[in-house]
Amino acid sequence: DAKTTQPTSMDCAEGRAANLPCNHSTISGNEYVYWYRQIHSQGPQYIIHGLKNNETNEMASLIITEDRKSSTLILPHATLRDTAVYYCIVRVGSGFGNEKLTFGTGTRLTIIP
Amino acid sequence: GAGVSQSPSNKVTEKGKDVELRCDPISGHTALYWYRQSLGQGLEFLIYFQGNSAPDKSGLPSDRFSAERTGGSVSTLTIQRTQQEDSAVYLCAGDRDSSGGNTQYFGPGTRLTVL
Repeated sequence: DAKTTQPTSMDCAEGRAANLPCNHSTISGNEYVYWYRQIHSQGPQYIIHGLKNNETNEMASLIITEDRKSSTLILPHATLRDTAVYYCIVRVGSGFGNEKLTFGTGTRLTIIP
Repeated sequence: GAGVSQSPSNKVTEKGKDVELRCDPISGHTALYWYRQSLGQGLEFLIYFQGNSAPDKSGLPSDRFSAERTGGSVSTLTIQRTQQEDSAVYLCAGDRDSSGGNTQYFGPGTRLTVL
């Protein structure tokens, strides 16, 4: 799996959009970008994933640059419950076979009241 | 229920005792993973089940660890003769095992403390 680089920590005001960047300059053509988060004392939670097109779901939007070397996760209206560590990973994600997850250090996002 | 459930949520045991941790995945999720996470650390893969295939046990740290998955649904992780270094949060996750990407749905975890 390609390596990713994320800022160690970020703050965002409640109600504002939180934009979390991720660099993945060595991503391969068949690798997806996945985002998970882990709220304190809870299990990891899948957020969103994409290959090359921008994606949106009920939780977030994912913007992937045209060269696919970086991406941004957007939480459009951050709430205090969005305070968590956010993990960006890239992987083939075929959906078959052992797809064990490995998280890096992630970005610790703190939503400020 | 709609999500992955795990029991117990917390388990405190004495060194040398055996423990059993249970995972109830989402119905229809043929793939099931066990991980553990020590305080402030990342995920450590333990074992992977997929349908009726032989499980991938490559992540089990010692022969004191074993897991079963009955009927392609509920899974039990057993740790025999627990040691203090086994203290961690044990997480299970399921997935539909289908094309188009892999998204794992995690349970809340079991916090194991070995005294």
